[in-house]
Amino acid sequence: QKEVEQNSGPLSVPEGAIASLNCTYSDRVSQSFFWYRQYSGKSPELIMSIYSNGDKEDGRFTAQLNKASQYVSLLIRDSQPSDSATYLCAVNVRADSWGKLQFGAGTQVVVTP
Amino acid sequence: NAGVMQNPRHLVRRRGQEARLRCSPMKGHSHVYWYRQLPEEGLKFMVYLQKENIIDESGMPKERFSAEFPKEGPSILRIQQVVRGDSAAYFCASSPPPGSLAKNIQYFGAGTRLSVL
Repeated sequence: QKEVEQNSGPLSVPEGAIASLNCTYSDRVSQSFFWYRQYSGKSPELIMSIYSNGDKEDGRFTAQLNKASQYVSLLIRDSQPSDSATYLCAVNVRADSWGKLQFGAGTQVVVTP
Repeated sequence: NAGVMQNPRHLVRRRGQEARLRCSPMKGHSHVYWYRQLPEEGLKFMVYLQKENIIDESGMPKERFSAEFPKEGPSILRIQQVVRGDSAAYFCASSPPPGSLAKNIQYFGAGTRLSVL
């Protein structure tokens, strides 16, 4: 079983619609969760971090965390062609929230005009 | 305020040569992480360092790979006797030290693309 799992996609989303990305993780002590965006040939760029159960909103992005079910999700509202990228879910498995990140394989999002 | 700086951006080596990848963390960050991304694969952790100390090297291959973060200068990821399977993008990230008010958010450099001929 992979430690961090994501659907690989591609997830095709019409422009203006909501993109919904899911991520599950296996280690219950995980405390810190991150979503990174990676354009093809570029480096990962942090778009959201979340540490507590519930929702966290930042502009068009909303991260949702449910530690009991061990999943974290990302919603992208009013999707734009510039949102077309691979979205990486990352989890810090240490209880003190420091150290290495474990990444999922990424979900490719394609926003169609 | 410069971000994480990596160089070179592209590195071409022939099989058997050595590759040296450099990373300077963001200002105020004292912790450095190296990740590798093979073609069409996800990011894999390699090593976590602070100045003059390796904290976690659980992701480092047992042979040919080494990393350091000296008191002065950038962190170095060294790959000896490179093979074609080492061709990948190598990313460095940095974070503030534990105990700081900032959360452990890792910011990534632009990466070094290593091609082994």
